[in-house]
Amino acid sequence: QKEVEQNSGPLSVPEGAIASLNCTYSDRGSQSFFWYRQYSGKSPELIMFIYSNGDKEDGRFTAQLNKASQYVSLLIRDSQPSDSATYLCAVFNSNSGYALNFGKGTSLLVTP
Amino acid sequence: EPEVTQTPSHQVTQMGQEVILRCVPISNHLYFYWYRQILGQKVEFLVSFYNNEISEKSEIFDDQFSVERPDGSNFTLKIRSTKLEDSAMYFCASSDPWGPSRTEAFFGQGTRLTVV
Repeated sequence: QKEVEQNSGPLSVPEGAIASLNCTYSDRGSQSFFWYRQYSGKSPELIMFIYSNGDKEDGRFTAQLNKASQYVSLLIRDSQPSDSATYLCAVFNSNSGYALNFGKGTSLLVTP
Repeated sequence: EPEVTQTPSHQVTQMGQEVILRCVPISNHLYFYWYRQILGQKVEFLVSFYNNEISEKSEIFDDQFSVERPDGSNFTLKIRSTKLEDSAMYFCASSDPWGPSRTEAFFGQGTRLTVV
């Protein structure tokens, strides 16, 4: 069973702080890694994806990937109350088809 | 901005009844998917569809499930004889495998299926 693990949280950070969300995966053949945001009762919304080791920045978001450690993270700078949601890590391996394998998600609460 | 649309947004059905969930994927996308999310649990893959046939399916996608692309725009998921445990949010997604971010999947707003 190929697992994607996330701490369920909740992770509570004050407004303006950096939120750090982590994800580990068991499938060494994984090629692409995605972070989705999901508000309660809504569908997953893609925030960003990363393929290569290192950092990838997009606005207030930075994804970090370390394939050797099978670890991917998402940093949210200047956190806002509107960032309060569940963040889903999803992993893709084309050798396993085009399906995404999701973690259970980390609940983030940004307090004013 | 193009989006995946799903209908209905909420469906209530009696146990044992058949339901059809409908999706209109993004028009230039070639891969279509159904995922489900039971309340409080993770998003789970059900099936992918490419070139008018099932590309991959999970162990959840048993004989009571089927998918179809009846015309050039719609993509449907049929559950033949619903069970209480089929109650979940069902998400349709699509992706463009030849685009610049070929594995990026866009999700519809979901259909909440309640089996009573």
